[in-house]
Amino acid sequence: DAKTTQPTSMDCAEGRAANLPCNHSTISGNEYVYWYRQIHSQGPQYIIHGLKNNETNEMASLIITEDRKSSTLILPHATLRDTAVYYCIVRYRNSGNTPLVFGKGTRLSVIA
Amino acid sequence: DAGVIQSPRHEVTEMGQEVTLRCKPISGHNSLFWYRQTMMRGLELLIYFNNNVPIDDSGMPEDRFSAKMPNASFSTLKIQPSEPRDSAVYFCASTKGLAGEAKNIQYFGAGTRLSVL
Repeated sequence: DAKTTQPTSMDCAEGRAANLPCNHSTISGNEYVYWYRQIHSQGPQYIIHGLKNNETNEMASLIITEDRKSSTLILPHATLRDTAVYYCIVRYRNSGNTPLVFGKGTRLSVIA
Repeated sequence: DAGVIQSPRHEVTEMGQEVTLRCKPISGHNSLFWYRQTMMRGLELLIYFNNNVPIDDSGMPEDRFSAKMPNASFSTLKIQPSEPRDSAVYFCASTKGLAGEAKNIQYFGAGTRLSVL
C-alpha cells in the first residue's frame, strides 16, 4: 500500500469547514483513498473512500486531485464532536479482507 | 446490529497473570482483526482471520500471545503470562471481506484497555 503523509495536528473553529489534507504521491491506479477517524477512547470509524472522483456522504466530502497524488477530507460544518484523530489510508481495491495500516494521522481540534 | 462487541472494557491485572480478551464480530462478517494501540507505536495489527482461519500472525509480539477463532461469532486474544509492557488498548474489528469490493468497511469495537501492574 502507498505511503501517506498528513499534518500532525490542526485546529478548526466550530461551525467552520475543516479541511484535512493528505499526500499520497506514490499511489497506484488500483489504490483507493480511505479516511477513518478515532474519537478519544473509541475505536476507529470509517468516514469515506474514493478512487479518483470526488465523493460525498452524510459525514464528509473527499476531494482527490486530478493526478491523485493528494486528497482533502472536508467536514463542512465542524462540531466539537468532530474532534478526533483522522487517518488517511491508501489500499488496493481487492484488499477488503486484509488489515488496515494506520499512520500517525492528523489530530483535529474543533474549538468553540 | 449491536456492532463489534468486546469484553471486558477494562482489565487490570498483575504481572504474570493470564489475560483473556474477547470479541464478538458483526453477524455475517467473515474477517476479524485484532489491533493494539499504544502511545509509542500507534495502532498496529496483531493477527487477523478470514473465515475463522488465522491468516497473518506476524504482528503477535511473542509466544506469550495467542488468538483463536473457534467459530464465526467469537474470538479470543490471550496473553500468558502478562507483562507491564503489554499495557495498551486492544481493538477487535470485523468486515464482510468481499473479494473485489472496494467498500469493505472495517467496523471496530470499543476496545479493551489493559493495564498490567
